[in-house]
Amino acid sequence: NAGVMQNPRHLVRRRGQEARLRCSPVKGHSHVYWYRQLPEEGLKFMVYLQKENIIDESGMPKERFSAEFPKEGPSILRIQQVVRGDSAAYFCASSPRGGATGELFFGEGSRLTVL
Amino acid sequence: AQKITQTQPGMFVQEKEAVTLDCTYDTSDPSYGLFWYKQPSSGEMIFLIYQGSYDQQNATEGRYSLNFQKARKSANLVISASQLGDSAMYFCAMTSSTGANSKLTFGKGITLSVRP
Repeated sequence: NAGVMQNPRHLVRRRGQEARLRCSPVKGHSHVYWYRQLPEEGLKFMVYLQKENIIDESGMPKERFSAEFPKEGPSILRIQQVVRGDSAAYFCASSPRGGATGELFFGEGSRLTVL
Repeated sequence: AQKITQTQPGMFVQEKEAVTLDCTYDTSDPSYGLFWYKQPSSGEMIFLIYQGSYDQQNATEGRYSLNFQKARKSANLVISASQLGDSAMYFCAMTSSTGANSKLTFGKGITLSVRP
């Protein structure tokens, strides 16, 4: 997986709780992407961040979801007041640069289950 | 908007034989990139191969080759000499070269099962 580390790998939450998913990109990569994969589906783009900046959040739900990539530390995807429909695998990917030909290195995903 | 279509049902192939996984795409961008990823049962996404829309030759990476037919808007993945470890979900994806980022649009995937 080329060094992208995601944790936790599995997370269980009850409806109404908060979920925080962490992603440490490949060392030296300053571009981070979050994707969501629902069961039996392909990955859907959520948000693209560079250090301290959100570049493209066109795939993020308008409410309850937020993402950050601080100057120091991992990128965080935060889901407030989770609902059953948030159950999915959340993948983080990083690249050393933006641009369409940049290969994305994916983490192993964080699987969220909402009871 | 970009769209990737993968409509094959689950695919089966005999070990050591070749198999083609279909992918068609739609985009209005003049320049774009096409990718294939493998997702085994363990869940991680593994990059396999990349094809740029202006590349003159079809991409190859070991046992993987991409049969790129621009006029037909297809980007089929060919796996030669299938191995048991090739059993997985396979996703076709694309991105726009005119955009400022590597945002990928994925298809729904194809399940490949390799029989011994």
